[in-house]
Amino acid sequence: DVKVTQSSRYLVKRTGEKVFLECVQDMDHENMFWYRQDPGLGLRLIYFSYDVKMKEKGDIPEGYSVSREKKERFSLILESASTNQTSMYLCATGGGGGAGNTIYFGEGSWLTVV
Amino acid sequence: QKEVEQNSGPLSVPEGAIASLNCTYSDRGSQSFFWYRQYSGKSPELIMFIYSNGDKEDGRFTAQLNKASQYVSLLIRDSQPSDSATYLCAVIRNSGYALNFGKGTSLLVTP
Repeated sequence: DVKVTQSSRYLVKRTGEKVFLECVQDMDHENMFWYRQDPGLGLRLIYFSYDVKMKEKGDIPEGYSVSREKKERFSLILESASTNQTSMYLCATGGGGGAGNTIYFGEGSWLTVV
Repeated sequence: QKEVEQNSGPLSVPEGAIASLNCTYSDRGSQSFFWYRQYSGKSPELIMFIYSNGDKEDGRFTAQLNKASQYVSLLIRDSQPSDSATYLCAVIRNSGYALNFGKGTSLLVTP
């Protein structure tokens, strides 16, 4: 089974704090993703990475950065947290492009910014 | 980016009935389509994917793809209360890596 681990499940941070969300996968997948999910807005792609040290912006990258120094680890960084970044953050991993490019999600990180 | 549209529901069906969930997409060139199920407070989990026109069956689930009409559907036979969840339709983005998701359809199966 694919295992995608998000170590921080529930966080409460103050406005302006720097926040790190970590994600680790054990399937040797090339691609890793960060989505956020909000009621009424669905799943929105923040950033993805298709290789170590490579990253691409998704639809809502503003206020976020990412780091992928090792294949199995993909970190999402909120440089200065704001209340509108209160959300559920989902890390996902996938094997490659094209047909059958299934992605698998971690359990999610619930972030509240106060 | 490729838009994916789903009726938000809720769709209510009695136990044992067939639930039919529909999804339309904007980009005629889209190739691969995915259905995920998401229980409240949990992360999405894959049900199945389809990339050829026609039907694909997996247990009680059947995905149907009609590229000419640009819609994908998911049928759940013999619906159970445990099938009550939000069902997300997704399509591969232009980059070929990530998925674009619809906002999901809420399904309620009543005993």
